[in-house]
Amino acid sequence: GDSVTQMEGPVTLSEEAFLTINCTYTATGYPSLFWYVQYPGEGLQLLLKATKADDKGSNKGFEATYRKETTSFHLEKGSVQVSDSAVYFCALFKRSYIPTFGRGTSLIVHP
Amino acid sequence: SAVISQKPSRDICQRGTSLTIQCQVDSQVTMMFWYRQQPGQSLTLIATANQGSEATYESGFVIDKFPISRPNLTFSTLTVSNMSPEDSSIYLCSVISPTNTGELFFGEGSRLTVL
Repeated sequence: GDSVTQMEGPVTLSEEAFLTINCTYTATGYPSLFWYVQYPGEGLQLLLKATKADDKGSNKGFEATYRKETTSFHLEKGSVQVSDSAVYFCALFKRSYIPTFGRGTSLIVHP
Repeated sequence: SAVISQKPSRDICQRGTSLTIQCQVDSQVTMMFWYRQQPGQSLTLIATANQGSEATYESGFVIDKFPISRPNLTFSTLTVSNMSPEDSSIYLCSVISPTNTGELFFGEGSRLTVL
């Protein structure tokens, strides 16, 4: 079946450091890919998405590119802030199927 | 987009009791999902709530423990029955975008602590 694999956390960075959170997937067909963010004490919210190969999703300084050749959708940000501390979930979706989530990666940013 | 209201936002319950969590959506949606998020862990899908039919449960979850109602296209409830400390979790209601783009919208979650 379909699956999403994320790097283990927590990822601990200093403010203004570069962030990469790796995400790879296994799926048949042509899924859409998503990153969700969960801030402390809140539900998940969509951060960005890409619906086809080579698409780049971006939002709030975060970016991720849909790489079909490497089945990856790594999340990046050039300069993280303390307010980016959260749990980040990679997910995939195929029409008529239930979305598949990765395990989540906790990000901790220190001042 | 869809706005989801969940309540209660948190509760502390005694072992052996049951609690019902409500999920209200501001638009009509076909599929609603109930997830569990245990401390420090990822999301686990409990069941898919379908209007007009019984919920579809994932492996490891049963109707007797987690009965679900879906009386209409904007509302659902999840009951956690005969609770034990192992049921302490965040329970999240979610709906899929009405445009079927795959985007999920989540409620803020119900944080349940069982003593």
